[in-house]
Amino acid sequence: DQQVKQNSPSLSVQEGRISILNCDYTNSMFDYFLWYKKYPAEGPTFLISISSIKDKNEDGRFTVFLNKSAKHLSLHIVPSQPGDSAVYFCAASAYSGGGADGLTFGKGTHLIIQP
Amino acid sequence: GAVVSQHPSWVICKSGTSVKIECRSLDFQATTMFWYRQFPKQSLMLMATSNEGSKATYEQGVEKDKFLINHASLTLSTLTVTSAHPEDSSFYICSARDRRWAGAYEQYFGPGTRLTVT
Repeated sequence: DQQVKQNSPSLSVQEGRISILNCDYTNSMFDYFLWYKKYPAEGPTFLISISSIKDKNEDGRFTVFLNKSAKHLSLHIVPSQPGDSAVYFCAASAYSGGGADGLTFGKGTHLIIQP
Repeated sequence: GAVVSQHPSWVICKSGTSVKIECRSLDFQATTMFWYRQFPKQSLMLMATSNEGSKATYEQGVEKDKFLINHASLTLSTLTVTSAHPEDSSFYICSARDRRWAGAYEQYFGPGTRLTVT
């Protein structure tokens, strides 16, 4: 049972436009959400995160929105650049006992930025 | 900052042999390291959580006798795949959490190790 879902396997966006990547989760214990960017045969690179007590976090071209009632988050990239082409993973974590748990990942969305 | 390395980056071994993968945090100390594995076109799946100086905690369905994890220091964790079989072929990725930020959730990932068992 997938606790973190990214329902779009791929997304194509024109350079300069906004890219919106979506993520849904089912586990209400998750209290922290992260977005990672990944290239084939490489480890994920951390992009941006958000705590469940917030509904928005912004860092440069990247903004993450969290709708806790809908158990939905999205990553906005604006403007989109060719270097943004990669697979984007949504991940979630919960805090328990001695620290934050390991991450639960979605299946990823392959973002393609077209010139 | 927050660099994590893995060695080797790619390994081929014969069925029945054991393979050790190292994960190092290069510029920070990590009390907690995690091991994930990724099958082609699939998500990263958490295998185990490794705390320095204590036994690893394995996720459901992960055989602890097959995937031996040792976290001997604040900068090094190792994963040994024992008696490897072709179905163990996968991309293994480690991550580490900076001990300075005790309550932090962010994990920094290594570049991964491609294991192929023939």
